[in-house]
Amino acid sequence: QKEVEQNSGPLSVPEGAIASLNCTYSDRGSQSFFWYRQYSGKSPELIMSIYSNGDKEDGRFTAQLNKASQYVSLLIRDSQPSDSATYLCALYTSSQAAGNKLTFGGGTRVLVKP
Amino acid sequence: DVKVTQSSRYLVKRTGEKVFLECVQDMDHENMFWYRQDPGLGLRLIYFSYDVKMKEKGDIPEGYSVSREKKERFSLILESASTNQTSMYLCASSGLAVTYEQYFGPGTRLTVT
Repeated sequence: QKEVEQNSGPLSVPEGAIASLNCTYSDRGSQSFFWYRQYSGKSPELIMSIYSNGDKEDGRFTAQLNKASQYVSLLIRDSQPSDSATYLCALYTSSQAAGNKLTFGGGTRVLVKP
Repeated sequence: DVKVTQSSRYLVKRTGEKVFLECVQDMDHENMFWYRQDPGLGLRLIYFSYDVKMKEKGDIPEGYSVSREKKERFSLILESASTNQTSMYLCASSGLAVTYEQYFGPGTRLTVT
C-alpha cells in the first residue's frame, strides 16, 4: 500500500461547480498536511496547509482533515478553467527509520470545462 | 515571498558528462531538498540537507551527490550523466520543521543524450 493515495483522474468539472479531491494516508503519526497545485511543465505551488482536524478555508479553497479516518480533502468552489492542473497531496512524517520528510501522493489531474 | 531559484530551466547534456544543478533560496531556510519528477512515478526525493555541509540520502540517491557550502545554496551533482537521469529536477526549501511547508523552485528539465 502506498503511503499517500490519490485518484489520478482526470476529474472533469464544469466551470462554476465544486471540485472535490481526496487523499488517504497510512501513517497515523503524520503531523502536517499540504495541497500543492502543479500546472503542466511547471513546479508545484503550495496552496493549502492544514494541521488539525476540521476545515480550513482560504478563498475558493477548503481543506478538510480527518486524522481518525486518515484522509485529507480539498474542495475548490466556483471552479475556473485556470484551476485545471494536477493537485498533489503531501504530508509530513517523522520517524527514526526514515527521518523527517514530506511524502507526496501521485496527484489528481483536474480538468475544468467552460 | 519565498523565492527559490534554479540555475537553468532547460539543460541538454551528453552521456558521461558531469552535471551541476544549482539551487538558491533567499528566505534563510535551514532545509533544502532535491527531487526528480517523472511521469507515472511522481516526486521522488534524491537528497536533502538540514544544515550547511550536512546531507542526507533520500529515496533515490544512487548516481547523485550534493554539496551545501553555504546556507542559501544547494547543488546537485550528476557525476557521470546517464540517459535514465533524463528528468525534471526540482529544488525545494523549508524553514525549521514546525509546519514543514516546502517551497519549490521553477525546476530544471534535464535531457541526457
